[in-house]
Amino acid sequence: DAKTTQPPSMDCAEGRAANLPCNHSTISGNEYVYWYRQIHSQGPQYIIHGLKNNETNEMASLIITEDRKSSTLILPHATLRDTAVYYCIVRGQNTGTASKLTFGTGTRLQVTL
Amino acid sequence: DTAVSQTPKYLVTQMGNDKSIKCEQNLGHDTMYWYKQDSKKFLKIMFSYNNKELIINETVPNRFSPKSPDKAHLNLHINSLELGDSAVYFCASSQTEEDTQYFGPGTRLTVL
Repeated sequence: DAKTTQPPSMDCAEGRAANLPCNHSTISGNEYVYWYRQIHSQGPQYIIHGLKNNETNEMASLIITEDRKSSTLILPHATLRDTAVYYCIVRGQNTGTASKLTFGTGTRLQVTL
Repeated sequence: DTAVSQTPKYLVTQMGNDKSIKCEQNLGHDTMYWYKQDSKKFLKIMFSYNNKELIINETVPNRFSPKSPDKAHLNLHINSLELGDSAVYFCASSQTEEDTQYFGPGTRLTVL
């Protein structure tokens, strides 16, 4: 699976949009971009995923660049409860190891008052 | 209505003991996983099972033996526990091997 690069930490004021970037310049055509987050002492929580098109759900939006070499997770109105480590993961499909999620070090997002 | 549950939440034991961690999912998923998160917070896959068959075994010592009695359960048995086994162990499940994985709350294992 392609590797990802994320900033180690970010701050965001409560109520503002949090934009978390991820670089995945070696992504292959059949690899999806997944985002998970881990709130302190809890299990990783699925947020969103996409292949080429931008995606939106009740939690967040995912913007993938046209060349697919980078993406941005957007939390439109961050709250204190969004403070967590956010992981960007590139994951293959239709491969022998499709089920394997490879977590990096992620971005620690701190939402402040 | 917990989707993926694990027991126990905390486990403290002595070196050399044998212990088990249980995982159950009520999502009707076919694939289940065990991940390990060490003290440095790196989260790594250990095993995955699809329809009770082992799919992935990520060079985990053979002291670790997953057992899947049915599709809804994947238990992790650890023999001869060592200090380095101290970690948080997460179970996860997905509909198929390629679908989104959903994680349990974790089991914090401390080996003294």
